[in-house]
Amino acid sequence: DAKTTQPTSMDCAEGRAANLPCNHSTISGNEYVYWYRQIHSQGPQYIIHGLKNNETNEMASLIITEDRKSSTLILPHATLRDTAVYYCIALSGAGSYQLTFGKGTKLSVIP
Amino acid sequence: KAGVTQTPRYLIKTRGQQVTLSCSPISGHRSVSWYQQTPGQGLQFLFEYFSETQRNKGNFPGRFSGRQFSNSRSEMNVSTLELGDSALYLCASSSGTGREQYFGPGTRLTVT
Repeated sequence: DAKTTQPTSMDCAEGRAANLPCNHSTISGNEYVYWYRQIHSQGPQYIIHGLKNNETNEMASLIITEDRKSSTLILPHATLRDTAVYYCIALSGAGSYQLTFGKGTKLSVIP
Repeated sequence: KAGVTQTPRYLIKTRGQQVTLSCSPISGHRSVSWYQQTPGQGLQFLFEYFSETQRNKGNFPGRFSGRQFSNSRSEMNVSTLELGDSALYLCASSSGTGREQYFGPGTRLTVT
């Protein structure tokens, strides 16, 4: 699976949109981009995934560039409960479900 | 629908002992994966089971083993515990059609 690169940390004001970038320049055509987050001491939580089209669900939006080399996770109205480590993972559409977690982005939502 | 459950939630063991952790996936999910999380190494993949077969294994010594039962429940076993095995052990399940994984709360293992 392709390697992903994320900033180590970001701050966001409560109520504002949080935009978390991810670089995956070596992603292959059959690899999806998955986002998970982990709130302190809890198990990771699935957020959203996409292949090449933009995706939206009740938690977030995922914007994938046309060349698929990068993506952005958008939390439209960040709350204090969104403070967590966010992981961007490239995962093949076939075979094992193994997730390779990097260090992720520590998002701090500031009151 | 109930989420992934893991038992026990907390465990303290002594070096040299063995331990068995249990995971019950979301109803209908056929894939179960196990991960180890430590402050130093982060989240690392242990192994994945699908329909009772180990489909993939991470880079861990043979002391770490697992199995999956016909009802998709899974157990992992660690023999001859070492201090470095102290970690949060996470189980995740997936439907087998969708690839998103749903994690349990984890078992916090402390080895003294």
